[in-house]
Amino acid sequence: QQQVKQSPQSLIVQKGGISIINCAYENTAFDYFPWYQQFPGKGPALLIAIRPDVSEKKEGRFTISFNKSAKQFSLHIMDSQPGDSATYFCAASREGSGNTGKLIFGQGTTLQVKP
Amino acid sequence: ETGVTQSPTHLIKTRGQQVTLRCSSQSGHNTVSWYQQALGQGPQFIFQYYREEENGRGNFPPRFSGLQFPNYSSELNVNALELDDSALYLCASSSPLSGTQYFGPGTRLTVL
Repeated sequence: QQQVKQSPQSLIVQKGGISIINCAYENTAFDYFPWYQQFPGKGPALLIAIRPDVSEKKEGRFTISFNKSAKQFSLHIMDSQPGDSATYFCAASREGSGNTGKLIFGQGTTLQVKP
Repeated sequence: ETGVTQSPTHLIKTRGQQVTLRCSSQSGHNTVSWYQQALGQGPQFIFQYYREEENGRGNFPPRFSGLQFPNYSSELNVNALELDDSALYLCASSSPLSGTQYFGPGTRLTVL
């Protein structure tokens, strides 16, 4: 019940294309769903996050779509650029009083954007 | 760049040794969480410290221990190192207001 499953494992997209990464979770108590971007040799950096009271959140070229009934959420990167080439992790946690907010991460997706 | 710093950047130890990793949290953050990231994997939660007390632990053995100091900086200690402990160790700090976790650059530990 603690798992977060992420797909695909790797993704190659042409510059200007749309990158789509999907995640599915099992624990319905999760109430916070962030996406992190990680470059080689660096720590994960928060990209965008969503809570289950909304179905979509957009920040610049990055959009999270959230489907509570299907227990799935996805990251869409519009107009993908070579600088977006990195590993992306979805995560889920349970926040609020009495909870640690520990993040359960997916396995990661390595994105390569070709010029 | 977050305000979370970690030291050292890299570390090489031999099996059976002990190691201490350090983390300084972002200003205003009183909660520090530690994660282990094996090569090609997502980070795995080790434990969290809040106001100098352990506040939750993942599936790691007792030889993984930690401390948090009054200035909210933290240490991760690993005793009796095993080859499988080779990984990137990440700390993340968060504030009581948002709960969003901000990661440091990590410490790369290699156990030979």
